[in-house]
Amino acid sequence: KQEVTQIPAALSVPEGENLVLNCSFTDSAIYNLQWFRQDPGKGLTSLLLIQSSQREQTSGRLNASLDKSSGRSTLYIAASQPGDSATYLCAVQDSNYQLIWGAGTKLIIKP
Amino acid sequence: EAQVTQNPRYLITVTGKKLTVTCSQNMNHEYMSWYRQDPGLGLRQIYYSMNVEVTDKGDVPEGYKVSRKEKRNFPLILESPSPNQTSLYFCASSFGQGIGYTFGSGTRLTVV
Repeated sequence: KQEVTQIPAALSVPEGENLVLNCSFTDSAIYNLQWFRQDPGKGLTSLLLIQSSQREQTSGRLNASLDKSSGRSTLYIAASQPGDSATYLCAVQDSNYQLIWGAGTKLIIKP
Repeated sequence: EAQVTQNPRYLITVTGKKLTVTCSQNMNHEYMSWYRQDPGLGLRQIYYSMNVEVTDKGDVPEGYKVSRKEKRNFPLILESPSPNQTSLYFCASSFGQGIGYTFGSGTRLTVV
């Protein structure tokens, strides 16, 4: 059964730093992997979607990589800002087209 | 504005009192889904629907019902709520599974 793990559960860094969030999954037979952002009291916002055949995707200051063989994905955030503070979730779509979610990393960017 | 609307945002109810959480999307999406989110756990799928009149169980369907009579609406029904159903619930829609999900703002349910 597919399991998705995100480490660390929480991270606090000063503004301006580059940082990496990690996501690992146990079964490499995935359809795609997505990174989401969750703000308190709001829904989830899709940040990046990486298809299983792709290695990375970029959007602005965000870059997500995928290494399917090792069961890992990273979300790189460049030049972090206080507005980046949120919980970041990764989810893999398995061969049955279902999304399996990690528990998230709560990120705090200190001004 | 393209969106998924859930109501209510907050709800406190008592054990056994039937309730419905509504979900509506205005993007003509075929796929809709309900998730629950609990502390320390990832989102878990309750039910999903591929199209009108087509619904399927997710990972944690026990104690829940859904219906899809219209494309835009996908209500979540708790016939006899119990305290273990206290959670944060999200509705989502998409043109296809795993592609371009749009989420509602969530419904925080407390069952006492």
